[in-house]
Amino acid sequence: DAKTTQPPSMDCAEGRAANLPCNHSTISGNEYVYWYRQIHSQGPQYIIHGLKNNETNEMASLIITEDRKSSTLILPHATLRDTAVYYCIVRPAPLSGSARQLTFGSGTQLTVLP
Amino acid sequence: EAGVAQSPRYKIIEKRQSVAFWCNPISGHATLYWYQQILGQGPKLLIQFQNNGVVDDSQLPKDRFSAERLKGVDSTLKIQPAKLEDSAVYLCASSLPDRAGNTIYFGEGSWLTVV
Repeated sequence: DAKTTQPPSMDCAEGRAANLPCNHSTISGNEYVYWYRQIHSQGPQYIIHGLKNNETNEMASLIITEDRKSSTLILPHATLRDTAVYYCIVRPAPLSGSARQLTFGSGTQLTVLP
Repeated sequence: EAGVAQSPRYKIIEKRQSVAFWCNPISGHATLYWYQQILGQGPKLLIQFQNNGVVDDSQLPKDRFSAERLKGVDSTLKIQPAKLEDSAVYLCASSLPDRAGNTIYFGEGSWLTVV
């Protein structure tokens, strides 16, 4: 599986957009980019995933560069409850023959400041 | 929709004792995962089931850890005997069978402290 690189920590002011970068320069053509977050004392929570195109849902937007070597998770209006560790994960495509597990790195600790 | 249920939520045991964790996945989810998360680290996969068969247990310390999913629904993870380094959160997760867009959902975790 491709490896990802994320900054260990970031701060963001409440109400502002939080932009979390992720580098996945060795991603292969059939691998997806997934984002999860983990609020203290809870299990990881799915946020969003994408393959090539930018994606948006009620929680966040995912911007993937054209060469797919990096991506950015955007929380448009961060709140204090968004303080969490955010994990960027590259996951094999369905029916690829791989077990399609999620392999977690160390993630980015996002702290939203009042 | 009910989420992934795990119990117990917290457990403290002495080293060399045994412990068991239980997981009930989301209804209809054929794939079940157990992860171990040591404080300050990301979760690490221990074992993956597809129905009641093991897909991947390459990172499961088989000398002390065992897991089963006898009827393809609930699962138990057992540690015997426990070591101090087993202190961690044990996360259960589940997903629909392998196809495009299937999301993996996690439970709240079982916190283990070995003293």
